[in-house]
Amino acid sequence: DVVMTQSPLSLPVTLGQPASISCRSSQSLVYSDGNIYLNWFQQRPGQSPRRLIYMVSNRDSGVPDRFSGSGSGTDFTLKISRVEAEDVGVYYCMEATHWPPYTFGQGTKLEIK
Amino acid sequence: EVQLVESGGGLVNPGGSLRLSCAASGFTFTDAWMSWVRQAPGKGLEWVGRIKTKTDGGTTDYAAPVKGRFTVSRDDSKNTLYLQMNSLKTEDTAVYYCSTLNGVPLNDYWGPGTLVTVSS
Repeated sequence: DVVMTQSPLSLPVTLGQPASISCRSSQSLVYSDGNIYLNWFQQRPGQSPRRLIYMVSNRDSGVPDRFSGSGSGTDFTLKISRVEAEDVGVYYCMEATHWPPYTFGQGTKLEIK
Repeated sequence: EVQLVESGGGLVNPGGSLRLSCAASGFTFTDAWMSWVRQAPGKGLEWVGRIKTKTDGGTTDYAAPVKGRFTVSRDDSKNTLYLQMNSLKTEDTAVYYCSTLNGVPLNDYWGPGTLVTVSS
């Protein structure tokens, strides 16, 4: 199975400053159709997960444009251009190329410094 | 409004069984591949299993830790997803979410989750 490794695991950020989370996969996430099926999820405290990004860089409906995703092959990044208080929570990457299984990263806890 | 509402969680002894349900509304359930995802207390997300639509064969897939013990099923006439859990272990203790989890440009919905505690 694919292993998804996130870093850092803890991310203290000052309000208004940028944040960046890395996700690396143990093998290429390029599917046979040429697409990469890499998602990013946000889980706020006490809430269910919510998908932010699908297929590396596509924002889901209602996701603020301060969130962006990038990457290729085995290296991916979620960036928040200016962190707001509502961004506190845990962020997960998840690969959907080599299913089953769907594999999540360990999670990155973003907190306000 | 889209809703996924899980039920059936609770306290069960090791070795016991439990059936979770997930009632769906607000979207075309029959067109959705449905997954169960769990989260142990203070831990990350773990995909448990998935069932495809009847159109796509209705087949199921499972994560290795639950294969042979858990069964995902669906009743499209009731817009309901199920997770039958047998031979439960203490390490199955978690909040269980149902979701339309996918990696493509389809809406991604999650329920609020239901807590399963396996303990004597």
